Amino acid sequence: DQQVKQNSPSLSVQEGRISILNCDYTNSMFDYFLWYKKYPAEGPTFLISISSIKDKNEDGRFTVFLNKSAKHLSLHIVPSQPGDSAVYFCAATTSGTYKYIFGTGTRLKVLA
Amino acid sequence: DADVTQTPRNRITKTGKRIMLECSQTKGHDRMYWYRQDPGLGLRLIYYSFDVKDINKGEISDGYSVSRQAQAKFSLSLESAIPNQTALYFCATGDNQPQHFGDGTRLSIL
Repeated sequence: DQQVKQNSPSLSVQEGRISILNCDYTNSMFDYFLWYKKYPAEGPTFLISISSIKDKNEDGRFTVFLNKSAKHLSLHIVPSQPGDSAVYFCAATTSGTYKYIFGTGTRLKVLA
Repeated sequence: DADVTQTPRNRITKTGKRIMLECSQTKGHDRMYWYRQDPGLGLRLIYYSFDVKDINKGEISDGYSVSRQAQAKFSLSLESAIPNQTALYFCATGDNQPQHFGDGTRLSIL
């Protein structure tokens, strides 16, 4: 049973527009969520995170929104740039366990 | 220099061979992790270690073993490799959020 789901395997967006990547989870014990970006031949790199006590966290062009009642989080990238083209993974954890459950990833392609 | 270094970066081997993947980190973290990534399945946790004397199984530990030789070193072994262990393997470290990942080892078992 997949506890963290990214239902869109891929997404294409025009440069300058908004990219919205979605993630759903089933385990109500998760209280911290992260987004990682992965380029080919590199490891995942941390992008942004959010605690369950918040519903929004912003860092430059990246904003993560958390809807606890829907068990849904999303990553907004505005404006999208060609360098943002990568695979994005969401991950969830429960405080104190230090173990992450990852989604299956969404491949974002930003078209110039 | 990378904070988390994995060796080798690529490996092709045959069924039944013993393989060791190595990971070293310079971040001074106690907690280290091994994941594998398969197409369409994301990253799944194989083993994790919270300190040198603490080793724990993750969700897919069957067919794997690990050794925590020092705070900075955590190796993953496949005792008798099989083709369905062909995957991308990542090591990560992190005492708090977030975990930091190495660049991975691409392992192919023929």
